[in-house]
Amino acid sequence: NAGVTQTPKFQVLKTGQSMTLQCAQDMNHEYMSWYRQDPGMGLRLIHYSVGAGITDQGEVPNGYNVSRSTTEDFPLRLLSAAPSQTSVYFCASSYSSGTANSPLHFGNGTRLTVT
Amino acid sequence: AQKITQTQPGMFVQEKEAVTLDCTYDTSDPSYGLFWYKQPSSGEMIFLIYQGSYDQQNATEGRYSLNFQKARKSANLVISASQLGDSAMYFCAMRSAGGTSYGKLTFGQGTILTVHP
Repeated sequence: NAGVTQTPKFQVLKTGQSMTLQCAQDMNHEYMSWYRQDPGMGLRLIHYSVGAGITDQGEVPNGYNVSRSTTEDFPLRLLSAAPSQTSVYFCASSYSSGTANSPLHFGNGTRLTVT
Repeated sequence: AQKITQTQPGMFVQEKEAVTLDCTYDTSDPSYGLFWYKQPSSGEMIFLIYQGSYDQQNATEGRYSLNFQKARKSANLVISASQLGDSAMYFCAMRSAGGTSYGKLTFGQGTILTVHP
């Protein structure tokens, strides 16, 4: 019972490099999202998707791209890494996006450091 | 816009005692859900309990209960019979069914709970 799987767990990048954080879920969830967690700022929504082929921006989308070609996968791309993107990134999914009663199921997070 | 406020940066409790973690919220949406998550030092986010805005009774899940006071816009988490393993960061969060906050989970700043033996 894998749930939400994120890779890698840790990553160090140099400023200007690009990379993709992978996220996959095996629960046939309609809704997927990416959050970043920074000290003192809680979790903030980067991008989200309400279904395959549909994505939208969250609170802090700048510097990140997403796509949703399948129900299962929702990768997050850092286009040109900056030190301000040093953070812990969480992928989360839920069964429904149209109701308020679906809890988000989180992956274990990716700790990213940009030097 | 939605907002969640957790005013207690840190809380301490003695093992086997009960503790209440405060959460207040603000939203103009009539239908919303309130959630509590636990984040231990290992970093994962664990879903604990859910309360719907139209639910008449307070939610309970084992040792966790949610003290929901809709008129006061508060959704406090009560942990009974605290255990050492309850030491963690706790987040209150809210989700609406529609409007501009469609699907988004809005988090509070979190409360660090430390359980003393």
